[in-house]
Amino acid sequence: EAEVAQSPRYKITEKSQAVAFWCDPISGHATLYWYRQILGQGPELLVQFQDESVVDDSQLPKDRFSAERLKGVDSTLKIQPAELGDSAMYLCASSRGLAGPDTQYFGPGTRLTVL
Amino acid sequence: AQSVTQLDSQVPVFEEAPVELRCNYSSSVSVYLFWYVQYPNQGLQLLLKYLSGSTLVKGINGFEAEFNKSQTSFHLRKPSVHISDTAEYFCAVSEWGGSEKLVFGKGTKLTVNP
Repeated sequence: EAEVAQSPRYKITEKSQAVAFWCDPISGHATLYWYRQILGQGPELLVQFQDESVVDDSQLPKDRFSAERLKGVDSTLKIQPAELGDSAMYLCASSRGLAGPDTQYFGPGTRLTVL
Repeated sequence: AQSVTQLDSQVPVFEEAPVELRCNYSSSVSVYLFWYVQYPNQGLQLLLKYLSGSTLVKGINGFEAEFNKSQTSFHLRKPSVHISDTAEYFCAVSEWGGSEKLVFGKGTKLTVNP
């Protein structure tokens, strides 16, 4: 069964450093999502792509976060500089992009710890 | 804007007992409703979803949920739980005709004890 791949699974960094997370969606999925899940909370959408275009980045802290999906396949989420409050699980999800809504399939996540 | 309230942060039960996890939502438009499960250090897995039609929805692993529009609720139930059902459960909504963004509740930690 096809799965959403994410790497790394765990990342420890010091504040003010740069970090990057990678996501490879299920093959053929046009829509890709990045969510942030703070400990004890539900996931919150950071950015949504339809192919290579951003559909929604209203909750992305654009002063330090950036996301790209250059060829409409895999995606990278970057934080520069990292802050203590960025410690969280970063989840990537993908869907076929059909109207409806379509089921979102989640990857295993990257757990970020900022020291 | 939509919001989701999961009324219980933790629910402990004994194995083979029934369980209900409560979810209420708020929205100015019609919504789709979802329940996801998250096992430790893993991503989320869809349990079931309500799009339209019958208000009783059956999902994987013996779970079911009932949509109640008048009470704006979507409670999750299982008649007999197993140790392996221990996990975090999230209720989520998305707007009809919207971007399909999911808005999640804070989650309910279900612990099944022997």
